Amino acid sequence: GQSLEQPSEVTAVEGAIVQINCTYQTSGFYGLSWYQQHDGGAPTFLSYNALDGLEETGRFSSFLSRSDSYGYLLLQELQMKDSASYFCAVREANQAGTALIFGKGTTLSVSS
Amino acid sequence: EAQVTQNPRYLITVTGKKLTVTCSQNMNHEYMSWYRQDPGLGLRQIYYSMNVEVTDKGDVPEGYKVSRKEKRNFPLILESPSPNQTSLYFCASSTPGGSVSEAFFGQGTRLTVV
Repeated sequence: GQSLEQPSEVTAVEGAIVQINCTYQTSGFYGLSWYQQHDGGAPTFLSYNALDGLEETGRFSSFLSRSDSYGYLLLQELQMKDSASYFCAVREANQAGTALIFGKGTTLSVSS
Repeated sequence: EAQVTQNPRYLITVTGKKLTVTCSQNMNHEYMSWYRQDPGLGLRQIYYSMNVEVTDKGDVPEGYKVSRKEKRNFPLILESPSPNQTSLYFCASSTPGGSVSEAFFGQGTRLTVV
């Protein structure tokens, strides 16, 4: 089986930096992804880490430590439009091939 | 335009009346999957498919069926819907692995079973 743990809620103000952590327990781990979902909308892909280290894409960065089964999403220069839910997801190997499994999500609220 | 298309977007039905939610992708992806999203529970995988005629159960498959006769289509079938299947459903597709692991999601189907 597999499990992913991430905080349920995070609050911050415009211009701040926020870090959303994700710990996971899986077998046959391939990589850790992050998705953003605005209220009622479709999740959209933000980043993917297959190897240890930091990946940077504009204001968003994602980090992975495979030895610690841990990763995080770092959001800088927060804007009101960043208020959304953020999901970590792992791609893991199983008998049928691979499956993409999501955490329960972190609701980020950005205030002015 | 690369996209995943689900239909219908909204559906209200009665208990026991069979229904199908369609999903189609135009990116030639091998991997397709169905998720349901309920408040506080995140995205839970119902079924997934690695390729044509290859499907497998996810975490919450009870009460659902799928088929994958063509690469682009992956319909979700509820043979006898019940009120506990009221939820927001998402279809997704991606390449199965490798160096990129980006899943594309449909716009969602909000299903209410009364």
